[in-house]
Amino acid sequence: KQEVTQIPAALSVPEGENLVLNCSFTDSAIYNLQWFRQDPGKGLTSLLLIQSSQREQTSGRLNASLDKSSGRSTLYIAASQPGDSATYLCAVADDYKLSFGAGTTVTVRA
Amino acid sequence: DVKVTQSSRYLVKRTGEKVFLECVQDMDHENMFWYRQDPGLGLRLIYFSYDVKMKEKGDIPEGYSVSREKKERFSLILESASTNQTSMYLCASSLPGRGAYSNQPQHFGDGTRLSIL
Repeated sequence: KQEVTQIPAALSVPEGENLVLNCSFTDSAIYNLQWFRQDPGKGLTSLLLIQSSQREQTSGRLNASLDKSSGRSTLYIAASQPGDSATYLCAVADDYKLSFGAGTTVTVRA
Repeated sequence: DVKVTQSSRYLVKRTGEKVFLECVQDMDHENMFWYRQDPGLGLRLIYFSYDVKMKEKGDIPEGYSVSREKKERFSLILESASTNQTSMYLCASSLPGRGAYSNQPQHFGDGTRLSIL
């Protein structure tokens, strides 16, 4: 059974600092990995999707890397802003099914 | 933009009631999903549908059923609601793809916070 772990569970940084969020998974036989953002009381917003054959994906200030063999992904957010405050979830795809981590809650202090 | 709409943001029901949660997507997606999200347990898949009238069980289907009569609509049914089904329910949809072809991101609705009293 796929287990997805996100460390740390919570993170607080001053505005402008770069954010580094970690995700690890136990079964490397995945098809893709997806990063989501969730604001309090809301649904999930897809940020980036990395295919298993890719090493990284970039969108604006966001960059996600994938090392499938070691079961790790990292989400980098450059020059953080208070609007980046949210919970970030990673999920790995096994066939149609997504297995989610518990998330990292980020607070960016102005 | 993909729009996934869940019929209620908040819902309060009583134990033993039959409860319907509705989800509609406007992007002609083949795949639709129902998850529940609980503190400390994260998101868990309840049911999945990859076509009209087709469904597959997820990790926690007990106590739930689903209906997909039209492509755009996916309903989650709590046959006899119990207090342990109090949770946030999230619906998602995606373009077709399984296994090596599952390169399509899932798009989520805003969720329904369901309380069973």
